[in-house]
Amino acid sequence: KNEVEQSPQNLTAQEGEFITINCSYSVGISALHWLQQHPGGGIVSLFMLSSGKKKHGRLIATINIQEKHSSLHITASHPRDSAVYICAVLMDSNYQLIWGAGTKLIIKP
Amino acid sequence: DTAVSQTPKYLVTQMGNDKSIKCEQNLGHDTMYWYKQDSKKFLKIMFSYNNKELIINETVPNRFSPKSPDKAHLNLHINSLELGDSAVYFCASSPSTSGNEQFFGPGTRLTVL
Repeated sequence: KNEVEQSPQNLTAQEGEFITINCSYSVGISALHWLQQHPGGGIVSLFMLSSGKKKHGRLIATINIQEKHSSLHITASHPRDSAVYICAVLMDSNYQLIWGAGTKLIIKP
Repeated sequence: DTAVSQTPKYLVTQMGNDKSIKCEQNLGHDTMYWYKQDSKKFLKIMFSYNNKELIINETVPNRFSPKSPDKAHLNLHINSLELGDSAVYFCASSPSTSGNEQFFGPGTRLTVL
């Protein structure tokens, strides 16, 4: 079992839909990252969370430390949101980043 | 203006060759990383340097040798390239080793023929 599990692995939705991507982890962490990787391969860091909730534009990220779970939400989704979204946790024991397998999101016009 | 830059962006080479990938960050960060993205798109950490000192060295063949001439640069040198080294390699930096957002370079796609 991977230390970081994401679901779903693949998600296809229509433009305008509300999107939720989930991340569960099994190790002690000091922070959790959400990242976006576009088809060209570049990685962009979206959020770094250690508690609560953060919002940036149409993106919202939440984390529940007790339940070891985080969600990334996209409101009013748009085709340009199509990308792979990756959850990564920063272990509190050795500060190593452990990556999830990613969620491939396709938003159809 | 690029925060984390890598060169080259694409590298095609023959098996057995020695090659280097360069990484530079202009963010004033103390910590830099090298990641390898495998065919399943998993990102695996290879090395981490903090203020030019090695702090993480995962199980990576010793054909891979990172070099940090100063804290703004972390270069990756690969000796005797093998077919399995083909991957996208990402460099990243963060202000320190703990709890900070990482900023990624654009990646270097290495193809070994």
